[in-house]
Amino acid sequence: GAVVSQHPSWVICKSGTSVKIECRSLDFQATTMFWYRQFPKQSLMLMATSNEGSKATYEQGVEKDKFLINHASLTLSTLTVTSAHPEDSSFYICSARVGTGWEKLFFGSGTQLSVL
Amino acid sequence: SQQGEEDPQALSIQEGENATMNCSYKTSINNLQWYRQNSGRGLVHLILIRSNEREKHSGRLRVTLDTSKKSSSLLITASRAADTASYFCATGTGGFKTIFGAGTRLFVKA
Repeated sequence: GAVVSQHPSWVICKSGTSVKIECRSLDFQATTMFWYRQFPKQSLMLMATSNEGSKATYEQGVEKDKFLINHASLTLSTLTVTSAHPEDSSFYICSARVGTGWEKLFFGSGTQLSVL
Repeated sequence: SQQGEEDPQALSIQEGENATMNCSYKTSINNLQWYRQNSGRGLVHLILIRSNEREKHSGRLRVTLDTSKKSSSLLITASRAADTASYFCATGTGGFKTIFGAGTRLFVKA
C-alpha cells in the first residue's frame, strides 16, 4: 500500500515557539493532504485540507494564522503551529489519498506535540 | 466537525468472541469507511462500503450499511488479542473530505 511518512513523531517545545510538522507521500503523488488533530481518547477532528500549489482550506473554528499549512510539492505538506501554547498540545495526524475522489486515506504515524 | 456517534464507546470481550460496533451519521454520504488505530499511532484503513452497497466482507470483518437509518455496523468475528485497538467509522462527504466518528475502544482479553 501507499506510504505516508510524518516527522517528527513527537516534539516538546516551550510556549511561544513555533513547531513544523512534515508529511510526505513516499511512493505516490498527493495533490491533496488532510491534517487532523486528536485529543486523548477522542476522535480525529479535521483541521484543514491542504492543496498542492494553492491555499489550504480550513475547517470552521481553526485559526489559519495559528496553523500554517504549506503544500509546496506533490509529495510534501507541512503544518506549522505558530507561537505554540499549552492548549495546542495534541496529537496531529496527516493523511493523503492516492489519486482523487473517494479512495481510502493513508495516514502518517502522527506527531505528539507537548507545549510546556 | 464530527459526523456522528459510535456505539459502544468501549467494548471488552474474550478472545474468540465476536465484536460488534455501530456507527450513526447525520448527513448524506458517498461512502463509509472503517479505520483502526493502535494507541498513539496513525490509522489503518480496514474497509470501504459505498452508499449503494448494503454489506461487505473482508476476512474476519463484516460491514453493513443502512442509508435509510444512516447507520453502519462493523463485526469482527473470532476476535484475537491483537484486535485490541480503537475503531473509527468515517464518512466521505462533499469536498472529498473524510469525517470521523467518535470511535469505539475494543479490548480483547486473551
